[in-house]
Amino acid sequence: EAQVTQNPRYLITVTGKKLTVTCSQNMNHEYMSWYRQDPGLGLRQIYYSMNVEVTDKGDVPEGYKVSRKEKRNFPLILESPSPNQTSLYFCASSFFHLSEKGDEQYFGPGTRLTVT
Amino acid sequence: ILNVEQSPQSLHVQEGDSTNFTCSFPSSNFYALHWYRWETAKSPEALFVMTLNGDEKKKGRISATLNTKEGYSYLYIKGSQPEDSATYLCAFANAGGTSYGKLTFGQGTILTVHP
Repeated sequence: EAQVTQNPRYLITVTGKKLTVTCSQNMNHEYMSWYRQDPGLGLRQIYYSMNVEVTDKGDVPEGYKVSRKEKRNFPLILESPSPNQTSLYFCASSFFHLSEKGDEQYFGPGTRLTVT
Repeated sequence: ILNVEQSPQSLHVQEGDSTNFTCSFPSSNFYALHWYRWETAKSPEALFVMTLNGDEKKKGRISATLNTKEGYSYLYIKGSQPEDSATYLCAFANAGGTSYGKLTFGQGTILTVHP
C-alpha cells in the first residue's frame, strides 16, 4: 500500500530534550516536506527536500533540522525543543515537479507533539 | 512569507446548496496551485493540482478554476452533501529562484454542510 508513515504519532516531552520524528514513504517520491499546523495559522512549511542530499528552508525553519540521506526517509529533528514547538506535524511527499496532476502531495497521519 | 489568502474562513450551507470559495495568491513566480480537502482527525488529501491559466478541473461534484494573471482560484461544490464537510486548503507552489519548490498554504475554508 502506497503510504507516508510518521513516528511517533503522539509525543509529550520536556524543554531541551532532543527528539526526532521519523517520516518514510514507499512511493519513490523525490519531494518530501514537513509542515506544522497551529490553530488559526493553517499549515506552514518547515523544511522541504527535492531530492537526496538537497534540503531547503520553508517559512518556519527556526528550531528544526532535517536530513535526506535516503530517498525514502526525511526525519525532523528538534535539537532543543521549546513549548512554542508544541504543534501538530505533518510529513508529505510527492514526485519532483509540482506541476502535474500526479504531483499532488501525500500526507502522513500526523504527529502531535507537546513540549512542557 | 508569501500571502496566500482564502475566503471565506468558514461557511455553513444546507444540504443540496451549491457553494464556492476563493484562494488568492501572488501573480508572480507561479508554478502551480494545489487544492486539498482536510477532514477532522485525518490527513489532507489532494483534490487538484493546477498549472495553466484558465485551467478548469473537475472531480465529481467538485470543480476548480485558475486565473494566474490576477492570482486567484475558485473551488466550487455543486449540490453539497454532509460528507463534503471539511476544511479546504489551497497551496501556492513557488517557481522563484531560491524559493523554487516551496509550498505556501492558505489558512483554509471550513465548510459545514447541514442535513
